[in-house]
Amino acid sequence: AQKITQTQPGMFVQEKEAVTLDCTYDTSDPSYGLFWYKQPSSGEMIFLIYQGSYDQQNATEGRYSLNFQKARKSANLVISASQLGDSAMYFCAMRDKAGGSYIPTFGRGTSLIVHP
Amino acid sequence: DAGVIQSPRHEVTEMGQEVTLRCKPISGHNSLFWYRQTMMRGLELLIYFNNNVPIDDSGMPEDRFSAKMPNASFSTLKIQPSEPRDSAVYFCASRMEGYSSPTDTQYFGPGTRLTVL
Repeated sequence: AQKITQTQPGMFVQEKEAVTLDCTYDTSDPSYGLFWYKQPSSGEMIFLIYQGSYDQQNATEGRYSLNFQKARKSANLVISASQLGDSAMYFCAMRDKAGGSYIPTFGRGTSLIVHP
Repeated sequence: DAGVIQSPRHEVTEMGQEVTLRCKPISGHNSLFWYRQTMMRGLELLIYFNNNVPIDDSGMPEDRFSAKMPNASFSTLKIQPSEPRDSAVYFCASRMEGYSSPTDTQYFGPGTRLTVL
């Protein structure tokens, strides 16, 4: 079974609008971490935001926020006021203690295109 | 602060040649990962080191691939002999893994784009 599922291969948004990128996860470990990364066309993987399984509040970092719904095992990334520079691939990842090691698992990614 | 450093950034080689990719993790980080990214397979974990010891190498495709971490500040990924299907972007990432790390975030290097002709 997929541990991280990103169901949207591609998303389009108008500049200055908000957009939500979906991510669901699967784990039986009560202690886990969720991450989002951005990969622009230049290729580097840029860390955006982190949410811990025990965090009571949704994580926020500037225009990025993580809509954490623990019961639904959902960790959607919300980008407010989209900018042209937000066009990129976005990867959701989870770190849990699978098999005794904290090995992260990555989703397949969502391609976001921001239109002017 | 310096991030994860990888070299070379681009490598073009011919089938059958040996390729060595290099990585310097962030100072103080105790875990290092090698990933391979292709359009078809996405981001694949090849091997994971903790305190310079390989913990999980189940993602290493075959015996042609080998990885070493002789000390906390250096790791290599070697492909010998290389094949066209090895063409991909290879990322190195590091993190500080602790017993109660709330935010053991991985930080990635810029990647090495490998083309095997």
